[in-house]
Amino acid sequence: GNSVTQMEGPVTLSEEAFLTINCTYTATGYPSLFWYVQYPGEGLQLLLKATKADDKGSNKGFEATYRKETTSFHLEKGSVQVSDSAVYFCALQNANKLIFGAGTRLAVHP
Amino acid sequence: NAGVTQTPKFRILKIGQSMTLQCTQDMNHNYMYWYRQDPGMGLKLIYYSVGAGITDKGEVPNGYNVSRSTTEDFPLRLELAAPSQTSVYFCASSWADRSGNTIYFGEGSWLTVV
Repeated sequence: GNSVTQMEGPVTLSEEAFLTINCTYTATGYPSLFWYVQYPGEGLQLLLKATKADDKGSNKGFEATYRKETTSFHLEKGSVQVSDSAVYFCALQNANKLIFGAGTRLAVHP
Repeated sequence: NAGVTQTPKFRILKIGQSMTLQCTQDMNHNYMYWYRQDPGMGLKLIYYSVGAGITDKGEVPNGYNVSRSTTEDFPLRLELAAPSQTSVYFCASSWADRSGNTIYFGEGSWLTVV
């Protein structure tokens, strides 16, 4: 079946630190992969996506590369800001349905 | 820029009561979805619809019903509320075709069953 596994949080970083949030998946076929972000009290917003192997999604300084050989889609940012504090969800899309990971909470301190 | 609109935003229900969460989208999307998010968890798909008149079960459909009489609206009904249905509910929509799609979410409805 289809599933997504994310690293457990919370992840606590100082401002300007490097961020990696690991995400691996299991899927049949060739899914699209996504990162969504949820700020406190809000709904989910699409952060970035990749639709095929070796694609790199990027947005707001965040990047993730679709690695078919390792079935991974790790989220990275070179220098985090306090405003990046949120919950980040990795997801795969198969047959037009999204399957979500459990989410990773990121807290960035000044 | 309405996008996906859900109502109500907050609701407290007593066990056994019924209610409907409303969802409407103005993007002419063919696909619509209902998810629930339990504390500290990811989202679980309750029901989805690929177009007006067509609905299908997701991962956790028990205790819920949906209908899709128009492209814009996709209400979620809880017939006999139970404490296990305390959650945050998200409606979402997308235009789905062979090139894939991006799913847009509403702001969520916080439901507590006591």
